[in-house]
Amino acid sequence: EVQLVQSGAEVKKPGESLKISCKGSGYSFTNYWIAWVRQMPGKGLEWMGIIYAGDSDTRYSPSFQGQVTISADKSINTAYLQWTSLEASDTAMYYCARHTGTARVSPLGYWGQGTLVTVSS
Amino acid sequence: EIVLTQSPGTLSLSPGERATLSCRASQNVSSNYLAWYQQKPGQAPRLLIYGASSRASGIPDRFSGSGSGTDFTLTISRLEPEDFAVFYCQQYGNSPYTFGQGTKLEIK
Repeated sequence: EVQLVQSGAEVKKPGESLKISCKGSGYSFTNYWIAWVRQMPGKGLEWMGIIYAGDSDTRYSPSFQGQVTISADKSINTAYLQWTSLEASDTAMYYCARHTGTARVSPLGYWGQGTLVTVSS
Repeated sequence: EIVLTQSPGTLSLSPGERATLSCRASQNVSSNYLAWYQQKPGQAPRLLIYGASSRASGIPDRFSGSGSGTDFTLTISRLEPEDFAVFYCQQYGNSPYTFGQGTKLEIK
């Protein structure tokens, strides 16, 4: 069974750094793309970017390029989303999701449970 | 970047009725790489439809997708109580793989 298990909720202050994780199991981690999706409180889904776990090839939405870093450690089947300096506007639920197929052009068929990030002074 | 516009913003219907949700793209969606997701409160999204018209595994046949190019539709033939949720379309043919803003399907 394919599973994506995300790290727990975080409460941070503006200016702090943060790295959240998404651990995949039940499939060959290095053969699939993983996406990160933001959902601000009461709002819709926003595609942030994707990473190919096999070689860490990464693509970003222009809206998030330079604001976050997506990475992966294939030795522990884990993808990451990180910030160097959080802002209050980063408060949101963040989902990781795996593409259904090995190609990048496939939908998001498997989702993590979400990580709630709260940034407040 | 392809902008997806969903309509209506909110759809109020009763169980047993037919729901029709629209997703319009600002430019052609490559190879009809268009997906629909359902999200219930407090839950992660769930894939319903991919390739504009193919049902994902385990999705009831009352859900169907259609369309091509720039105009796509999600139809729920007879609404069940558990179908009421927010629905999003997403194009995954051209990076960034954008989502629509969502349609909330609520019980009338």
